[in-house]
Amino acid sequence: AQTVTQSQPEMSVQEAETVTLSCTYDTSESNYYLFWYKQPPSRQMILVIRQEAYKQQNATENRFSVNFQKAAKSFSLKISDSQLGDTAMYFCAFMKTSYDKVIFGPGTSLSVIP
Amino acid sequence: DVKVTQSSRYLVKRTGEKVFLECVQDMDHENMFWYRQDPGLGLRLIYFSYDVKMKEKGDIPEGYSVSREKKERFSLILESASTNQTSMYLCASSPVLNRWENIQYFGAGTRLSVL
Repeated sequence: AQTVTQSQPEMSVQEAETVTLSCTYDTSESNYYLFWYKQPPSRQMILVIRQEAYKQQNATENRFSVNFQKAAKSFSLKISDSQLGDTAMYFCAFMKTSYDKVIFGPGTSLSVIP
Repeated sequence: DVKVTQSSRYLVKRTGEKVFLECVQDMDHENMFWYRQDPGLGLRLIYFSYDVKMKEKGDIPEGYSVSREKKERFSLILESASTNQTSMYLCASSPVLNRWENIQYFGAGTRLSVL
């Protein structure tokens, strides 16, 4: 069975600094999708960034980028130039390409400090 | 923009009551999901549906049932609410199966307290 681990329950970062959130997963699949979702306080969860496992190039979306290490089964999220609006719970998630279901990690609570 | 609407943001119920949580999406998505979110556990899938009148059990279906009579609406039912069902419930929808576009769109959540 697939599992997703986020080892940092809480993190904080100074505004304008860079922070990296860790995620590891366990699977025997060769191709799959990985996601980072963001849940701001009292607001809806939204997709931040996604990566398909067979693509070696790391995904980037503006200030958000990932470091995908397939052999290590690691999928970390880097947020550059942190902004107050980045304060949120961040969930790493995994999905097999043959649709099964999305497996979410336990989440990391990120606080951006002015 | 995709809109997923959950009928209540906060709900307080008594033990033993039958509870209905409603979710409506406006983008004609085939797939709909109900999750439960608890601190330190992330999101756990209760049930999902990939078509009208179709449903599949997720990881924690015990104590819950679902109904999908129309494509846009997916209801979660707690047949007899218990205190251990106090939680945040999230509804989500997604457009397709087996595709790169299979992004989940979430509602704002219903925080249910069972007393």
